[in-house]
Amino acid sequence: DAGVTQSPTHLIKTRGQQVTLRCSPKSGHDTVSWYQQALGQGPQFIFQYYEEEERQRGNFPDRFSGHQFPNYSSELNVNALLLGDSALYLCASSRDRRGETQYFGPGTRLLVL
Amino acid sequence: QKEVEQDPGPLSVPEGAIVSLNCTYSNSAFQYFMWYRQYSRKGPELLMYTYSSGNKEDGRFTAQVDKSSKYISLFIRDSQPSDSATYLCAMSLIGGNFVFGPGTRLSVLP
Repeated sequence: DAGVTQSPTHLIKTRGQQVTLRCSPKSGHDTVSWYQQALGQGPQFIFQYYEEEERQRGNFPDRFSGHQFPNYSSELNVNALLLGDSALYLCASSRDRRGETQYFGPGTRLLVL
Repeated sequence: QKEVEQDPGPLSVPEGAIVSLNCTYSNSAFQYFMWYRQYSRKGPELLMYTYSSGNKEDGRFTAQVDKSSKYISLFIRDSQPSDSATYLCAMSLIGGNFVFGPGTRLSVLP
């Protein structure tokens, strides 16, 4: 049973560029959440997708957007990249049931130069 | 005051020691409490998951939740060098997103 997968593993971009990160949830999971983890910090919640809709959003600007596909996979898009966007971006999946916890993928490490 | 606070570490212990990791939180509405282990440059791995107050044991790991004190703990018995990692506490409301602590870096020395 494959766990959560993310691509790419690493990415280098320059300021002002746009980036798309991808996530495939664990088998049987229908909810995908995205987190940003800066070096030495805990993950910060960006947003959550369920039934192809953004259901919850954390304190991130509109430059951060996402999408969920009918097969439950998801994309995170970041426009107009800033140096401060350099971080590990984590995808977590879960089932939309009360009390279900989240399982994380390995992350995509983004470096903005 | 941050919503979730965690002893920053780093914490170094000898192999075989009992390790105690702790988090405090401010939102009394949190219902679900998790501990994740994160190795360097990897995603967080779920260790323990508890609902409301009480204790939960899984092998060498014991999680405790004291909602009256807004305090959670993770104990690791017979610590091993392979336990060296960053330990993240996380909590959530029912149906809510997860709020993480900043993590405690643990080193278990052979």
